[in-house]
Amino acid sequence: EDQVTQSPEALRLQEGESSSLNCSYTVSGLRGLFWYRQDPGKGPEFLFTLYSAGEEKEKERLKATLTKKESFLHITAPKPEDSATYLCAGSFGNEKLTFGTGTRLTIIP
Amino acid sequence: GAVVSQHPSWVICKSGTSVKIECRSLDFQATTMFWYRQFPKQSLMLMATSNEGSKATYEQGVEKDKFLINHASLTLSTLTVTSAHPEDSSFYICSARDRETGRTEAFFGQGTRLTVV
Repeated sequence: EDQVTQSPEALRLQEGESSSLNCSYTVSGLRGLFWYRQDPGKGPEFLFTLYSAGEEKEKERLKATLTKKESFLHITAPKPEDSATYLCAGSFGNEKLTFGTGTRLTIIP
Repeated sequence: GAVVSQHPSWVICKSGTSVKIECRSLDFQATTMFWYRQFPKQSLMLMATSNEGSKATYEQGVEKDKFLINHASLTLSTLTVTSAHPEDSSFYICSARDRETGRTEAFFGQGTRLTVV
């Protein structure tokens, strides 16, 4: 069964304190790795797609990277408005996405 | 990015009644749409895959007679929760993928909070 696991479950950072979120996945058959941001009571907002090991994507304070067994979402000098739940999902050869349980990120002013 | 609109944003219904949720792709055609449910502080669980012009494919454990899905056009899919009960209360989210552009990421609606009383 395809699996996607995220850690930590929750993370509290001071404003400006950089950190990384982890997403590990079933190694075989990954076609794409996706990162989303979800605010309370809202649907997920697409951030990045990664396809191959070594690939990196960047947007403002966020950078996503992919290795052969995991992906990282690096957040540099975060601001309170970056507080949200960050979800990663994998596509394993069909149209479905398998989601991790998310990391609840809180940035303290 | 592509826009997916979901309606209503929230609904409260009485136990035993049916509720319809709409999912529209506003600026692209979606031959495939997906329906998820999400419980508090949990991740998205895929319920079914909706294909335009054909029957939906349901995930294991999802009752197809309870969660009716219709995908009658390239821009609209609907989920009807029939004979709703309090345990059906959840956050329902749809997503769509624009296959014509070859983009593989999915774009999500804003979600529908269903409360059954």
